[in-house]
Amino acid sequence: NAGVTQTPKFQVLKTGQSMTLQCAQDMNHEYMSWYRQDPGMGLRLIHYSVGAGITDQGEVPNGYNVSRSTTEDFPLRLLSAAPSQTSVYFCASSYREGGINEQFFGPGTRLTVL
Amino acid sequence: GDSVTQMEGPVTLSEEAFLTINCTYTATGYPSLFWYVQYPGEGLQLLLKATKADDKGSNKGFEATYRKETTSFHLEKGSVQVSDSAVYFCALSGGAGGTSYGKLTFGQGTILTVHP
Repeated sequence: NAGVTQTPKFQVLKTGQSMTLQCAQDMNHEYMSWYRQDPGMGLRLIHYSVGAGITDQGEVPNGYNVSRSTTEDFPLRLLSAAPSQTSVYFCASSYREGGINEQFFGPGTRLTVL
Repeated sequence: GDSVTQMEGPVTLSEEAFLTINCTYTATGYPSLFWYVQYPGEGLQLLLKATKADDKGSNKGFEATYRKETTSFHLEKGSVQVSDSAVYFCALSGGAGGTSYGKLTFGQGTILTVHP
């Protein structure tokens, strides 16, 4: 199993550009999430999904869109990039077993918006 | 809402020293608690977990006990190594029941540096 994969690893955008961060998992997990990591703030939830066709907002959803058409994929779209979106983005997937929700993380995408 | 507070960092120790990283939480219901570790340039890896009060999670010499009475989940290791240098995150999930599965609430992270 490849686990959780993310592409690209690095990206530089200009203000106003749009792009999609890709995330895929091959573990048949029902839950998938996107987080951003900023210095001194830990990881903050952007959007999450509890299954194909079902998504919801997290703590910091503004400026981002998601969709989940398949169990495997959960892309994150930046509609009009802003310097405040400079961050490291992590995708995670998880399953629910016996009340435990253990998340598996991808390697991250480092995004710089100029 | 749910929240996690970790001790201020960074933490710098000599090899073989004792490590404690404090973590307290606020949550409704009965959350699961986690410690994740992030090595330089990498993603997060689960270090240990606990799902109910008085459970002790352990892995690679690290331990943490779920204390409901003090709402704490402090991370400890008796003898740290240089290879333990990383960022450590305390997190919780599922505090509000089934609707919060798939979401983790993180503390701000603690940078640990271990010198030879």
